[in-house]
Parts: sequence; structure tokens; C-alpha cells
Amino acid sequence: EVQLVESGGGLVQPGRSLRLSCAASGFTFDDYAMHWVRQRPGKGLEWVSGINWNSGGVGYADSVKDRFTISRDNAKNSLFLEMNRLTTEDTAFYYCVKDAGNNWYNEDFDSWGQGTLVTVSS
Amino acid sequence: SFELTQPPSVSVSPGQTATITCSGDKLANTYVSWYQQRSGQSPVLVIYQNANRPSGIPGRFSGFNSGYTATLTISGAQAVDEADYYCQAWDSTTAVFGGGTKLTVL
Repeated sequence: EVQLVESGGGLVQPGRSLRLSCAASGFTFDDYAMHWVRQRPGKGLEWVSGINWNSGGVGYADSVKDRFTISRDNAKNSLFLEMNRLTTEDTAFYYCVKDAGNNWYNEDFDSWGQGTLVTVSS
Repeated sequence: SFELTQPPSVSVSPGQTATITCSGDKLANTYVSWYQQRSGQSPVLVIYQNANRPSGIPGRFSGFNSGYTATLTISGAQAVDEADYYCQAWDSTTAVFGGGTKLTVL
């Protein structure tokens, strides 16, 4: 069974940084691309970033480009999201999501974690 | 920019057919996926590549993409199907979600 467990969320002040982690199990982690998708409280889904199986390609939503960095450690079955210069607009649940393929775009999001809440507030 | 438009809400009586639409001007060139999100839970993939069901998804869920509008159909809707539903497609290298449709079964 695929398991994706996010951690690292919490309360942070505007302009500060936060690092999210996702521990993956139940599948061959380095065979698949991975993503972060966020959901502001009471709102819809927004794709944030994706990364290839071997970190050879990454993509970002315009709203986070140049502020967020996605990375992975295949040896530790882990996915990360480094978030810098946070604003109140970044307040959301952040989901770790498994891709159906090994390339980070043009596939489906076939397994989702439970999410971790990031609150940006002074 | 590429946008996917869904109706905010759809209501259906138990046992009847629910239809949720997703419109966008580039659907002819891309696959559409559908995700179900029950209250307080994480999203679940229910349809991929326009019309395919992942294992474990009941046969009452089906999808279709006409090139102009994608449709999620739930035949014989049950109370357990009450949820928010999101369509999703790729615009080149950006994943785009529709705004979501709240399905009420009553």
C-alpha cells in the first residue's frame, strides 16, 4: 500500500522560510515522479511543483517560481519542498502526491498524502 | 492561460445519474483526469486519461472528453459519492485544476 506522510508544516511569519518533507513507502520510490499540490482552506486544488524520478527535470507553478525548490532523496525515499519568502497567499494544506509515471508532466496524480498545514501569519 | 471551468455545485437524488462537466479550450489536445475529495479527506483519483478507472474505483464512475468538454458521470449515485470533484489537465508543463464541483446526493 502506498503511503505518503508529510511533515514540516506549521506557523511561520511572512518573509520567512519553511521546509516540507514527505516520507514515501509501499512502492519503488525512484521509479516515479513526485509532486506537491496545495489547497488553501476551503478552496480548490493548486499544483505547486513536480520532479522527475531522477531529479533530472522539475517544474513549478508561476505563483511559486523562484521562491520554492523541490528536491528528492531516492536513497531515503523522501521528497522535499523548500519554501522561501513566504506570503499569506501561501497559507494552505500541502499534499505530497505520487505520479503515475516517471516524468513529472503529462501524467496523473495517483496517490496523495494526508497533507500538512502551512500557515503564514504575523 | 489555460483554464478549466466546472459548475460550483450539482445535486442528484440517490440512484440517479450525476453529470459533472469541465470545459476548456485545449481539451482536444490533452487527457483529463478527475479527483474525488470527500469532506476532510485527501483527493482520490477516480478517472485518468479521459475515461479510465483506477483499480478499486466502482464501475458507476465513467468519463468522456469530447475535445471541448470533459464529463464525469456517476451512474446510480450513492450517498458515499457526496464530495467535491476536480477535473485536471496539463497545459504543456503546468498542471491545471478546475475550480471544483460540490456533488450533493439527496
